[in-house]
Amino acid sequence: NAGVTQTPKFQVLKTGQSMTLQCAQDMNHEYMSWYRQDPGMGLRLIHYSVGAGITDQGEVPNGYNVSRSTTEDFPLRLLSAAPSQTSVYFCASSYASGTDTQYFGPGTRLTVL
Amino acid sequence: GESVGLHLPTLSVQEGDNSIINCAYSNSASDYFIWYKQESGKGPQFIIDIRSNMDKRQGQRVTVLLNKTVKHLSLQIAATQPGDSAVYFCAERTGGFKTIFGAGTRLFVKA
Repeated sequence: NAGVTQTPKFQVLKTGQSMTLQCAQDMNHEYMSWYRQDPGMGLRLIHYSVGAGITDQGEVPNGYNVSRSTTEDFPLRLLSAAPSQTSVYFCASSYASGTDTQYFGPGTRLTVL
Repeated sequence: GESVGLHLPTLSVQEGDNSIINCAYSNSASDYFIWYKQESGKGPQFIIDIRSNMDKRQGQRVTVLLNKTVKHLSLQIAATQPGDSAVYFCAERTGGFKTIFGAGTRLFVKA
């Protein structure tokens, strides 16, 4: 299994541009989520999904959209990038909620100029 | 790799010594706690977890202690090795799926 994969690994955007961060998992996990990680802070939940066709907001959802058309994929869209969205983004998946272990991808470092 | 946590608390230990990393959690209703390890350029990796009905849980070279009275969690690493150098996060869950992460502690292991 490849586990959780993310692309791209690095991205530079100009303010106002849009883009999609890709996330895929091959473990047949129902739960997927997106986090952002900023210097000196823990990971903060952006959006999550409990299964195909179901998404919900996390702690910091503004400026981001998600969709879950398949079990495997959970893309994160930045509609109009802002410098405040400069961060490292991690996708994670788990079989179910509760005490199931979350598996994290390697991250995408995004810089918005 | 990515730079994670430029201004994190730092713990420096000698190779072979035991390490203790502490964490204060925020919600007295949290019922599940996890420790993650994050190496430079990688995503967080699960180390060990504990439910709120337990005080202690042991894994391979790691032990997690939970003190609900003072909302404190600790991770003990026995015989610390250079490969243990990383940022360590505690995380809490209050039922359901949402996980709240701490800011992290950077562990340096001196050879």
